Amino acid sequence: DTGVSQNPRHKITKRGQNVTFRCDPISEHNRLYWYRQTLGQGPEFLTYFQNEAQLEKSRLLSDRFSAERPKGSFSTLEIQRTEQGDSAMYLCASGPETQYFGPGTRLLVL
Amino acid sequence: KQEVTQIPAALSVPEGENLVLNCSFTDSAIYNLQWFRQDPGKGLTSLLLIQSSQREQTSGRLNASLDKSSGRSTLYIAASQPGDSATYLCAVRPDFGNEKLTFGTGTRLTIIP
Repeated sequence: DTGVSQNPRHKITKRGQNVTFRCDPISEHNRLYWYRQTLGQGPEFLTYFQNEAQLEKSRLLSDRFSAERPKGSFSTLEIQRTEQGDSAMYLCASGPETQYFGPGTRLLVL
Repeated sequence: KQEVTQIPAALSVPEGENLVLNCSFTDSAIYNLQWFRQDPGKGLTSLLLIQSSQREQTSGRLNASLDKSSGRSTLYIAASQPGDSATYLCAVRPDFGNEKLTFGTGTRLTIIP
């Protein structure tokens, strides 16, 4: 059990560019979650997968955001045409019951 | 819509003291409640999970209680240490098959040596 891993850990991009983040869950976990956390706030739910099926999406996930989990293992979160308001920590979690979180990807949009 | 509140937002306590962190939620239809710890710039570490049917859970110096009917949970930390300094977040998972967690904004705890 190596825990949940996320890459990259930090990303700086210019407004309007596309970015993609990767999450590798704990291997036996079939559920995978994405959250976004801004400074001084608790994480906010974005989306959730069970195996490869995306079962729920928050209204925070605008049409510029897309998440995939093609083989039910790792997941990617892509943000197109980034805006300064997208600057945040993007957290991935996996689990059956208890959600185990990764270290996050910190995005800064200039 | 579920709302989770944690008061106070920040707390400073001398080393060795016992302390209690509070979490309240507006909708009592929850499946479970989790307490997390977050160090600056890091991800979340799960501390304790309490099922809706349970009253409390213990792990080492930590004890979490749940009063579902009143919408409250507490995290008790015994014999605090400087290494306990972090932000503590509570999160509730709603009932009826919805798996997303709703988080509070956290309590930033500082243990003074």
